[in-house]
Parts: sequence; C-alpha cells; structure tokens
Amino acid sequence: QITLKESGPTLVKPTQTLTLTCTFSGFSLSTSGVGVGWIRQPPGKALEWLALIYWNDDKRYSPSLKSRLTITKDTSKNQVVLTMTNMDPVDTATYYCAHSDVVAPHGGAFDIWGQGTMVTVSS
Amino acid sequence: AIWMTQSPSLLSASTGDRVTISCRMSQGISSYLAWYQQKPGKAPELLIYAASTLQSGVPSRFSGSGSGTDFTLTISCLQSEDFATYYCQQYYSFPWTFGQGTKVEIK
Repeated sequence: QITLKESGPTLVKPTQTLTLTCTFSGFSLSTSGVGVGWIRQPPGKALEWLALIYWNDDKRYSPSLKSRLTITKDTSKNQVVLTMTNMDPVDTATYYCAHSDVVAPHGGAFDIWGQGTMVTVSS
Repeated sequence: AIWMTQSPSLLSASTGDRVTISCRMSQGISSYLAWYQQKPGKAPELLIYAASTLQSGVPSRFSGSGSGTDFTLTISCLQSEDFATYYCQQYYSFPWTFGQGTKVEIK
C-alpha cells in the first residue's frame, strides 16, 4: 500500500525559505519509472503543478517558479524534499506530494496523493 | 506550455442527472490526460487516466473520452457522493498542467 505524507512549517514569513518533506512508503524511488511530484492549491483555487523528481534524479520544474524551487530525494530515507525560496503571501496554499509511475498503466498521472499540508505566508 | 480550458467552472445538477465536463488543450496531447475528483478539505483522487481508463475502484458511472485536444468527463447518473470539484490534468509534456476545475453542486 502506497502512502505519502507531507510535513513542514505551517507558517513562514515573507522572504523566508520554505522546506517541505514528503515521506512515503510502499514504493521505492530507486525503482525505474517512479516519480514524486509536488502540487499546491491556494485556498479556494485550482491545483498548480510545481515540480517532479524521477528515480533517475531527472528533475522537472514549473517554469514560472523554477528560479525559486529545488527538489531533491533521499532514497534511503524514502523522502523527497521541496524548497521554495523568497516566500510571499501569494504562496499561501495547501501543498501536496503525489506518486507517479511512467511504467504503470496510469503513466504519469498522480495515482496516490498525500493529505496535504497548509502553509501560510504572513509576517 | 500547454494551456487548458476546462468548462464549465460551475455545474448545478440533481441526483440522477447525466453531467458532462469538458477539457480543451491548446495543442494535441494524444491521450495523456487524467481526471481527478476533489472533495472539500481532501486531497484529489485519480478517477481516469489515459483519457478513458477508469482507475481501480472508481464506479462505472464515470467515463472519459477524447484524444488530441478535446476531452470529456461524463457522470452518467449523478449520485450524492459525486458532488465535488473535478480537475483535468495533462501529462503529455512538461510543465504538467491542471484545468481550472469544475464544481458540481446540488441544484
């Protein structure tokens, strides 16, 4: 059974750096085809894809946020970390991590999601 | 980037209705499209992938169709638990993108 859980601060100040950790179980990020992505959702708004890291350390970013994002993985700890620099109140959102597997029938779709973690940016 | 137009943004319907949600792409994506359902305060759940394949455990009243640039999610007989927000997502090319969402509310 695949599970993912996001963790990190609930409140950050403007200009600070946000660090979120996705801890997962039920799969390995060293298995060919597997990826973990980050998606966010401001209150009352739509989902926004942020970044994705694959088993082979291939990393993809949203172009609009690329300069502020870094995604890394720690295969031994079953964790994926997302950092976002220079936080602004408009970055207030629920941040989700999710599982993807290009080899599986569902391809790149996110088949399993974490519960999400709400991050508020305010001074 | 591939732009997506999802419509309508709000859909008022009654239990038992047949409802259709559309997702149109700015360029062709073959069948690399997924549909998700999201209920308030919950994470999205995958309903359909590859445009028309039902994820395991999803009721058969949900169906997806289309390829290229035009896609449709249909709920054949709306149930009370289907009142939620639905999103399409393309995973054909990076950056992956989501539609703006369709809220299905009780009429």
